Amino acid sequence: LAKTTQPISMDSYEGQEVNITCSHNNIATNDYITWYQQFPSQGPRFIIQGYKTKVTNEVASLFIPADRKSSTLSLPRVSLSDTAVYYCLVGEGSGGSQGNLIFGKGTKLSVKP
Amino acid sequence: GAGVSQSPSNKVTEKGKDVELRCDPISGHTALYWYRQSLGQGLEFLIYFQGNSAPDKSGLPSDRFSAERTGGSVSTLTIQRTQQEDSAVYLCASLPGPGADYGYTFGSGTRLTVV
Repeated sequence: LAKTTQPISMDSYEGQEVNITCSHNNIATNDYITWYQQFPSQGPRFIIQGYKTKVTNEVASLFIPADRKSSTLSLPRVSLSDTAVYYCLVGEGSGGSQGNLIFGKGTKLSVKP
Repeated sequence: GAGVSQSPSNKVTEKGKDVELRCDPISGHTALYWYRQSLGQGLEFLIYFQGNSAPDKSGLPSDRFSAERTGGSVSTLTIQRTQQEDSAVYLCASLPGPGADYGYTFGSGTRLTVV
């Protein structure tokens, strides 16, 4: 199972773009990269998923270089409500039957006014 | 319901007692996972159910932990003879199954406190 490494914490200010990079050097061919967001006292919430290149949705963008050994979650113009822990996960399959996805400690993003 | 429902939301129990935690996944989701999260830590995988296949129990920390999923829907996680180190938030998540193109939907968890 591919292990991920991401910064423990990051600080930002409202209105800034935030980029959180995750390393996954041992990513396998069948693995997808998925990012989750977790607020206190809540379960993690799916943000975005990708396999290669760039994926964008209404919440974030995900940049994946050609070697797929890292990925960057980009949050445009963050607000105070984006303060949360962000987890990068790598696992087989596009969604179902992902088996044992490993959640690390994530990156605690603090957005300040 | 629209989401994954877990009950109870909070549970305080005495050391040595047994507890049961319940998870109602999204209707039709064939995959169901249990994770636990200790304070300030990441999520620790416990067990995974996929349809009628034998569950992946590789994450259960001891034989005091067991889980079942009846009728491919509701799941119960049972912890026998609870210990203080079992105190954590227990999270349940479900997935539509193979071929889905988005991630887990998590419940809000059960906060277990063993005193």
